[in-house]
Amino acid sequence: KQEVTQIPAALSVPEGENLVLNCSFTDSAIYNLQWFRQDPGKGLTSLLLIQSSQREQTSGRLNASLDKSSGRSTLYIAASQPGDSATYLCAVSNDYKLSFGAGTTVTVRA
Amino acid sequence: ETGVTQSPTHLIKTRGQQVTLRCSSQSGHNTVSWYQQALGQGPQFIFQYYREEENGRGNFPPRFSGLQFPNYSSELNVNALELDDSALYLCASSLGGRRESTDTQYFGPGTRLTVL
Repeated sequence: KQEVTQIPAALSVPEGENLVLNCSFTDSAIYNLQWFRQDPGKGLTSLLLIQSSQREQTSGRLNASLDKSSGRSTLYIAASQPGDSATYLCAVSNDYKLSFGAGTTVTVRA
Repeated sequence: ETGVTQSPTHLIKTRGQQVTLRCSSQSGHNTVSWYQQALGQGPQFIFQYYREEENGRGNFPPRFSGLQFPNYSSELNVNALELDDSALYLCASSLGGRRESTDTQYFGPGTRLTVL
């Protein structure tokens, strides 16, 4: 059974600081890994998708890396802004379904 | 904006009742998946439908059932509601349906179900 862990559970940083969010998974036989953003009480917004054959993906201030063999992914958010405050979830794809971590709740202080 | 819509937004039911939640996928997306997200947790996979047939199921009892229709809409039905069924229910649509699918899943805004 795939287990996905996200550390830390919560993070508070001043505006402008870079964010580093970690995700680990137990079964390396994944097809892809996605990072999502979730605002309170809302659905999920896909931020980045990394295929299993890729090492990283970038979109604007966001960069995600994937080390499939060690079961780890890291999401970097450069120059954080108060609008980046949200919960960030990682999910890995095995066998038609996504397995999610519990998320990291980020607060960016102005 | 993912193009995936869900209704209703919020719902309150009492224990033992039945509920139907609805999802409208992006046009052309043959696969729909349903997830349950309890407060403070990540979403848990309930099941997936591909071209109107169940394609896989998570660790949920049979009182959770679904339907997918040819017009890219789908339903999640829950019978004999329990207090622990209170959660945000999310549907997600994607193009593929293969077990090894690498397609992005696009999520709807969710339905918040409260069971009293």
